[in-house]
Amino acid sequence: AQSVTQLDSQVPVFEEAPVELRCNYSSSVSVYLFWYVQYPNQGLQLLLKYLSGSTLVKGINGFEAEFNKSQTSFHLRKPSVHISDTAEYFCAVTDTGGFKTIFGAGTRLFVKA
Amino acid sequence: ETGVTQTPRHLVMGMTNKKSLKCEQHLGHNAMYWYKQSAKKPLELMFVYNFKEQTENNSVPSRFSPECPNSSHLFLHLHTLQPEDSALYLCASSRHEGRATGNSPLHFGNGTRLTVT
Repeated sequence: AQSVTQLDSQVPVFEEAPVELRCNYSSSVSVYLFWYVQYPNQGLQLLLKYLSGSTLVKGINGFEAEFNKSQTSFHLRKPSVHISDTAEYFCAVTDTGGFKTIFGAGTRLFVKA
Repeated sequence: ETGVTQTPRHLVMGMTNKKSLKCEQHLGHNAMYWYKQSAKKPLELMFVYNFKEQTENNSVPSRFSPECPNSSHLFLHLHTLQPEDSALYLCASSRHEGRATGNSPLHFGNGTRLTVT
């Protein structure tokens, strides 16, 4: 079975500052890793995914994440955030052979002017 | 129009009512999902359908009954719900070829906000 832990429930940050949202996972099998974003009153949309290859993956809106197998982490980063990045961010894992995507509890990013 | 459409957006129902949530995807995907999103809890996978066949029932109470008449439509029939069932219900779809492979991201609708009184 897989599990996902997002270490921060809320992250306040000033506009144009860098941000890191932390995600750790556990799994006994190979997994694929995802970050999704949810804006108010909307469903989730894909930010980026790690399937294989380069451990640094780039996504939409200037976000990137780094897969660290030894630390079982997949932290999300952005060098300079905007007010419009205020949203909830979810880390997720899917085992390579199934349909079951497991989500973390989410991190609410709040960007202040 | 978004790729995954859910109706209604909001639903208030009493504990003795029967209602249904509808989901339609226009992306040509073959797998569809129901997730429950409650405050301060991770998204909970409820049901998965692949090519209209149910492949996952995540120990969901029988007061929730899914229906998938084809790969584009998914319903969630609700009856005799409890107040703790109040939540945002999200439908998602994904595309898989051949054997299930977890590398296909989920495409979500905007959800139905359900309130049980």
